Amino acid sequence: NAGVTQTPKFRVLKTGQSMTLLCAQDMNHEYMYWYRQDPGMGLRLIHYSVGEGTTAKGEVPDGYNVSRLKKQNFLLGLESAAPSQTSVYFCASGDSYEQYFGPGTRLTVT
Amino acid sequence: EDKVVQSPLSLVVHEGDTVTLNCSYEVTNFRSLLWYKQEKKAPTFLFMLTSSGIEKKSGRLSSILDKKELFSILNITATQTGDSAVYLCAVESNYGQNFVFGPGTRLSVLP
Repeated sequence: NAGVTQTPKFRVLKTGQSMTLLCAQDMNHEYMYWYRQDPGMGLRLIHYSVGEGTTAKGEVPDGYNVSRLKKQNFLLGLESAAPSQTSVYFCASGDSYEQYFGPGTRLTVT
Repeated sequence: EDKVVQSPLSLVVHEGDTVTLNCSYEVTNFRSLLWYKQEKKAPTFLFMLTSSGIEKKSGRLSSILDKKELFSILNITATQTGDSAVYLCAVESNYGQNFVFGPGTRLSVLP
């Protein structure tokens, strides 16, 4: 039982490049979330999904897109990376109030 | 705009001390308040509170919610160096699964 896994763990992008972060969970959870964490700002919700095939915007969705084609996977896409998107990205899943977090992806955009 | 504020932002204590961490919030359609502990990487769940005045307890950690005054506290008694972490407070609004996190309190426990 791996819990929540994230791929990749680290990535460096140049401005304007695109990439996709993959989140996978093996707990059969309905809800999945993408957060970013910046120093002194806690976690901010980017997008979330309440079930397969559904997505919704969180607090800071601009510049990101998501897809939930399979229940166990939640993808976060950056179409044209900007330095402001340098952050640590956490994926989480859950069935109610308790969220289980992945180990994070550290993304640097130069 | 939904907002969660935590205080203090950082705290340094010695082993054996008792600490109180504060979380206040303003959200539409409050549903629950959650506390997480974040050490090096992913946050881990501590407590979920939905009702005022009912203390949740786990070992040396306890938490209580005041829905009238819109705040919660997290108490840690007899602190240990292993309690060193960032403690995050999050509030769930009734609008979908929208969670708003505070900036966290960085607790350092010195031997």
